[in-house]
Amino acid sequence: DAKTTQPPSMDCAEGRAANLPCNHSTISGNEYVYWYRQIHSQGPQYIIHGLKNNETNEMASLIITEDRKSSTLILPHATLRDTAVYYCIVIKDFGNEKLTFGTGTRLTIIP
Amino acid sequence: GAVVSQHPSWVICKSGTSVKIECRSLDFQATTMFWYRQFPKQSLMLMATSNEGSKATYEQGVEKDKFLINHASLTLSTLTVTSAHPEDSSFYICSARDQEQLQETQYFGPGTRLLVL
Repeated sequence: DAKTTQPPSMDCAEGRAANLPCNHSTISGNEYVYWYRQIHSQGPQYIIHGLKNNETNEMASLIITEDRKSSTLILPHATLRDTAVYYCIVIKDFGNEKLTFGTGTRLTIIP
Repeated sequence: GAVVSQHPSWVICKSGTSVKIECRSLDFQATTMFWYRQFPKQSLMLMATSNEGSKATYEQGVEKDKFLINHASLTLSTLTVTSAHPEDSSFYICSARDQEQLQETQYFGPGTRLLVL
């Protein structure tokens, strides 16, 4: 699976949009971009995933660049409960692929 | 939907004893479940892939005789830490993949914190 690079930490003011970047320059055509987050002392929570089109759900939006070498997770109105470590993972579809967690981005929402 | 539970949520045991952790998919069937371990201030590390009705596949460096995995049904996988030692103290997390979904979304349990004295 392609390697991902994320900034180790970010701060965002409460109520503002949090934009979390992820680089995956070696991504191949059949690999999806998945985002999970882990709030302290809990299991990871699935947020969103996409292949090449931008995606939106009730939690977040995912913007994938046209060349697919990077993406941005957007939390439109960050709350204190969004403080967590956010993981960007690239994985092939089908086949019970293993998730490989990197170090992620520690997002802190500031009151 | 897509809820995964773990039991117990935390356990304290004496060195040398065995501890069993259960992982259940509550509202979907999972032919494949995954077991992870997370030490403080570190990321999740995959230990093994649990397949219903067959032997688990262990990651390199994980002792299969120490971490026994059983996936006897489509909704339950168990991890038994045998002869636990203090260095096995960690946060153990399972995940399950909904076999009805075509894509590779995994859903995680809340984790089990193990402390071996």
